[in-house]
Amino acid sequence: KQEVTQIPAALSVPEGENLVLNCSFTDSAIYNLQWFRQDPGKGLTSLLLIQSSQREQTSGRLNASLDKSSGRSTLYIAASQPGDSATYLCAVREAGNMLTFGGGTRLMVKP
Amino acid sequence: NAGVTQTPKFRVLKTGQSMTLLCAQDMNHEYMYWYRQDPGMGLRLIHYSVGEGTTAKGEVPDGYNVSRLKKQNFLLGLESAAPSQTSVYFCASTLTSGVNTGELFFGEGSRLTVL
Repeated sequence: KQEVTQIPAALSVPEGENLVLNCSFTDSAIYNLQWFRQDPGKGLTSLLLIQSSQREQTSGRLNASLDKSSGRSTLYIAASQPGDSATYLCAVREAGNMLTFGGGTRLMVKP
Repeated sequence: NAGVTQTPKFRVLKTGQSMTLLCAQDMNHEYMYWYRQDPGMGLRLIHYSVGEGTTAKGEVPDGYNVSRLKKQNFLLGLESAAPSQTSVYFCASTLTSGVNTGELFFGEGSRLTVL
């Protein structure tokens, strides 16, 4: 059974720092990996989708990488801002259209 | 530009009552999902559908039923609500072709409390 782990569970950084969020998964036979952002009391917003054949995706200050062989993905946030404060989740898609989510990293960016 | 819409957004039920959550998507997505999110448990899949008229069980299906009579709608039903079903419920849908195959889009959530 696929297991997805996100470390750290919580992170607090001062504004302007570059930071890395980690996501690891146990079964490398995935179709894709997706990073989401969730604000308190809200739904999940898709940030980046990386197909299994891709190594990375970029959107603005966000860069996500995927290393299938080692079962790892990272989300890099450049020049963090207080508005980046949220919970970030990763999810992997496997055969049978099953999606497994990590527990999330709760990020606080202090002004 | 509605995307995925869930109704109702909030609901309080008494134990034993029944209710239905409606999920509607306007993106012509084939696949639709119902998740519940609980503190410390993350997101867990309840049921999903791979097309109109089809449904399948997810990780935690007990106590719930679903129907997909129309491609754009996915209904989640609770026949006899229990306090353990107090949770936030999320609907999601996904593309099945093209460059962004598998990208999941979520609704805003429905917060259900069972007393």
